[in-house]
Amino acid sequence: QLQLQESGPGLVKPSETLSLTCSVSGGSIISSSYYWGWIRQPPGKGLEWIGRVSYSGRTNYKSSLKSRVTISVDTSKNQFSLKVTSVTAADSAVYFCAREVHLWQYFDLWGQGNVVTVSS
Amino acid sequence: QSVLTQPPSASGTPGQRVTISCSGSRSNFGGNSANWYQQVPGTAPKVLIYNSNQRPSGVPDRFSGSKSGTSASLAISGLQSEDEADYYCAAWDDSLKGWVFGGGTKLTVL
Repeated sequence: QLQLQESGPGLVKPSETLSLTCSVSGGSIISSSYYWGWIRQPPGKGLEWIGRVSYSGRTNYKSSLKSRVTISVDTSKNQFSLKVTSVTAADSAVYFCAREVHLWQYFDLWGQGNVVTVSS
Repeated sequence: QSVLTQPPSASGTPGQRVTISCSGSRSNFGGNSANWYQQVPGTAPKVLIYNSNQRPSGVPDRFSGSKSGTSASLAISGLQSEDEADYYCAAWDDSLKGWVFGGGTKLTVL
């Protein structure tokens, strides 16, 4: 069964770059049936979509984050990544990676989440 | 301020039927389907409803969804203690060209 697992530092300093990777196991990331996305949840708050990438590298980003966010895919490693530049305390959140079913438009699989705190 | 509007809280007693509403606009629910996710605190969200009224395999038929115009709703019948969780609606927004979520509804089973 396909699983997603986030990895990356739990603490990032203000103004630096947050980098996370989502490793896909139990199946291939190469499929036109899915997008691979990132969603975050600040402490005590709701879900916020960050963006997504297809296996071919096509991306979509939330407009308000677009200038700071890059999502990329590495099919050889069966993983995709998130970079957020110039982070502030407002970027502190649990970051989830998720698989989006292209046809039916919903997130069917999620990683367990990676807590990221922005603090000096 | 979330693009989709949900009540912050809902409650019910075991066995009752509870509904959670989600209000959107033409740019999201007007042309796209609604999804519903359940999140037990400290865990990842889990899809309950997709395509407005479809349940993935493994989701009990106590959970049902509907959409009418620019609003959607989730109904939970035969409420159980394990249903106590946060519930989020979601949809693709054609104007924003991205996914939007409701602010979440905390369901308490009394």
